[in-house]
Amino acid sequence: DAGITQSPRHKVTETGTPVTLRCHQTENHRYMYWYRQDPGHGLRLIHYSYGVKDTDKGEVSDGYSVSRSKTEDFLLTLESATSSQTSVYFCAISESADSPLHFGNGTRLTVT
Amino acid sequence: KNEVEQSPQNLTAQEGEFITINCSYSVGISALHWLQQHPGGGIVSLFMLSSGKKKHGRLIATINIQEKHSSLHITASHPRDSAVYICAVSRVDSNYQLIWGAGTKLIIKP
Repeated sequence: DAGITQSPRHKVTETGTPVTLRCHQTENHRYMYWYRQDPGHGLRLIHYSYGVKDTDKGEVSDGYSVSRSKTEDFLLTLESATSSQTSVYFCAISESADSPLHFGNGTRLTVT
Repeated sequence: KNEVEQSPQNLTAQEGEFITINCSYSVGISALHWLQQHPGGGIVSLFMLSSGKKKHGRLIATINIQEKHSSLHITASHPRDSAVYICAVSRVDSNYQLIWGAGTKLIIKP
């Protein structure tokens, strides 16, 4: 299995608080992605990175920011969490843009 | 209309049956992915294919580019195959952004 660790695995936070989710990989893969998964929507791309300091928006990027200062770490930040951001967040990595994705175990975030 | 359609949405079968899950898409693609998500939530990539057929153990994936259709087959199904199977495509003009199907929930009864 690809070495991908997401932290925390579970988090409950209050509306308006900042939250940072971390994705750490040991595979030295260039591409990293943040998805959210909600019932009825499947997986939706939030942001992705194609190298250190190289990131771009996905289809549901509003309210989220990302940073990638090292190859192995991709951080997702909710500057001011809202209840609509309650979801399961998955990090994924791939060796290249046309390689299979490998997923982390997910982070379940509840915003109350 | 969704650009990636999976059928059936739900499938219940008996252990040992041959399973087929279908995926149709309406955009130009560079590759098609099949993934598996178990009830515990973890997502595993099963296949990535752009033509022909791939086989891994009891799983077989086929794609027909002209018909814009792919199938995932499971031979000699087992209760541990119970999961959600997801089809996703890489658009020919954007490898980063996959278009995801809604998933097929498969239950294999012993």
